[in-house]
Amino acid sequence: EAQVTQNPRYLITVTGKKLTVTCSQNMNHEYMSWYRQDPGLGLRQIYYSMNVEVTDKGDVPEGYKVSRKEKRNFPLILESPSPNQTSLYFCASSSRPGRVYEQYFGPGTRLTVT
Amino acid sequence: QKEVEQNSGPLSVPEGAIASLNCTYSDRGSQSFFWYRQYSGKSPELIMFIYSNGDKEDGRFTAQLNKASQYVSLLIRDSQPSDSATYLCAGYPRPGGTDKLIFGTGTRLQVFP
Repeated sequence: EAQVTQNPRYLITVTGKKLTVTCSQNMNHEYMSWYRQDPGLGLRQIYYSMNVEVTDKGDVPEGYKVSRKEKRNFPLILESPSPNQTSLYFCASSSRPGRVYEQYFGPGTRLTVT
Repeated sequence: QKEVEQNSGPLSVPEGAIASLNCTYSDRGSQSFFWYRQYSGKSPELIMFIYSNGDKEDGRFTAQLNKASQYVSLLIRDSQPSDSATYLCAGYPRPGGTDKLIFGTGTRLQVFP
């Protein structure tokens, strides 16, 4: 089954404690992306990756890091989480950048930073 | 000005009625537009996309695009309670622009029996 998986699905953590949210897709997609979703602000792109070892900032990259060492995985790293990073996070992938409309979204990770 | 704007709603319609969801955009060069449905706490799922002026129909859904007026709409005929969700409008930029979808904040639709 074609899918994007994220782990964990729910996470409560404290300010400053480094965390990683994993994202994996089994469709051999080149393009992967991270979004955060906040009430009244919609979906905002954090980082995206065109392919292995190629990443770039989205609209709200501050406080986040990503890596793309393998095609299937695109982890999101919060080195020192802060309460303003409390949000719902989605990973997404598509076969290539020009086909973002075919994006498959992961199930989401609800993060709370206290 | 936000690049893609939607009324947050909620839009309440009775079962069986037509629900009309609207979206405006600021980048006149935007190529294509997409409607996603998102149930509470779930991930967005694509239901329609449109890139030409006019109407595009798929089952109970019709997407309408008017590039001169810079608006996109989604009509849902014979609305069902299961259509109750947030509907996200997204635009895809002109060639040579950033290769990403620009999302609106979504309109919450409530269909009551």
